[in-house]
Amino acid sequence: SQTIHQWPATLVQPVGSPLSLECTVEGTSNPNLYWYRQAAGRGLQLLFYSVGIGQISSEVPQNLSASRPQDRQFILSSKKLLLSDSGFYLCAWSVQQSNSPLHFGNGTRLTVT
Amino acid sequence: GQQVMQIPQYQHVQEGEDFTTYCNSSTTLSNIQWYKQRPGGHPVFLIQLVKSGEVKKQKRLTFQFGEAKKNSSLHITATQTTDVGTYFCARRANSKLTFGKGITLSVRP
Repeated sequence: SQTIHQWPATLVQPVGSPLSLECTVEGTSNPNLYWYRQAAGRGLQLLFYSVGIGQISSEVPQNLSASRPQDRQFILSSKKLLLSDSGFYLCAWSVQQSNSPLHFGNGTRLTVT
Repeated sequence: GQQVMQIPQYQHVQEGEDFTTYCNSSTTLSNIQWYKQRPGGHPVFLIQLVKSGEVKKQKRLTFQFGEAKKNSSLHITATQTTDVGTYFCARRANSKLTFGKGITLSVRP
């Protein structure tokens, strides 16, 4: 069966520090991969998605970047965190089929202080 | 144009009451998906609707896709405390899934 791992679960970082969140998927090949952010327990904002290795689509210009160095690995990064980067970051995967649902990881709760 | 709207954002019901929420779009949807997020948890896929007028049931939950494929509804019969959480609708367009803002349901025991 397919599983998605996302870590860490919680993170407290000072303003101006770098960020690296990692997400890996097991049990499937060539998945679509996604990073969402949820601020203050509300809506889900799509940040990045990837349909293949090295292919990244950015939805919202901001202080973050994403990379997909391997088929089932998706990394969210920042060189210098801002206070506004605080939130709940969710990684998700789906099969390539157009109507397939998303399967989310447990999320990372990031607090920038 | 690509958004799905969910209003209101919060609803409080007494345990045992029915609950209905709607998801609306200004453009025709090829499909609609519904997710539930428990407090402190991550969104979990519930159902997908594809056909005009489609109705699907999961125990006490009934999902419907409008005839014009511009809206969808979620109805919960006789709510229970286990129904608390935020319910999101989402539209899938190619590789992207765009979520509504969700409705947070609280149930008074």
